Amino acid sequence: GEDVEQSLFLSVREGDSSVINCTYTDSSSTYLYWYKQEPGAGLQLLTYIFSNMDMKQDQRLTVLLNKKDKHLSLRIADTQTGDSAIYFCAEKRDSNYQLIWGAGTKLIIKP
Amino acid sequence: GAGVSQSPSNKVTEKGKDVELRCDPISGHTALYWYRQRLGQGLEFLIYFQGNSAPDKSGLPSDRFSAERTGESVSTLTIQRTQQEDSAVYLCASSDVGNGYTFGSGTRLTVV
Repeated sequence: GEDVEQSLFLSVREGDSSVINCTYTDSSSTYLYWYKQEPGAGLQLLTYIFSNMDMKQDQRLTVLLNKKDKHLSLRIADTQTGDSAIYFCAEKRDSNYQLIWGAGTKLIIKP
Repeated sequence: GAGVSQSPSNKVTEKGKDVELRCDPISGHTALYWYRQRLGQGLEFLIYFQGNSAPDKSGLPSDRFSAERTGESVSTLTIQRTQQEDSAVYLCASSDVGNGYTFGSGTRLTVV
């Protein structure tokens, strides 16, 4: 199975909060990342969290990390139509430059 | 420039032709990655360059695919005898120690 797992789709109403979840398997992860890919575009780094942190907040974005359960989440408050995109979770392991990627969660905004 | 630059942004080629895709990483980034993204799919790792070390080619899908990198600068991904299943967006990214990747906008390859 994949080392980093995400649900493929999430549908939320405009104005509600979106919570995108990600699980990973390697306890040596040092950094965990969230990337956003808008239609027809490359991937853009949204935010990241060090593995020794539990939470990081940046405006409408909140990242929660449960290292014991190897669970990462991205909460987007007051979801807007411009948040429609695919969100990729990725982990960096201690020994390597390479990131291990989830398959991406497509966030669909309902009016 | 400040970002990762890829060219061309779009390429349409006939089946059986060779194509060459180019990536200009961020200056000073020692690591460079190529990924393939088929329509509606996630990222498929192709190849990874790190400084002067031998590249990690474990993701290249066949011997029709090859890539080179000159020192810590430009990289080219070459696909020989293109097939329709090669149609995808090819993404390049670069990174430095402890940082996430910075992606280019990709090259959309269509094989007809």
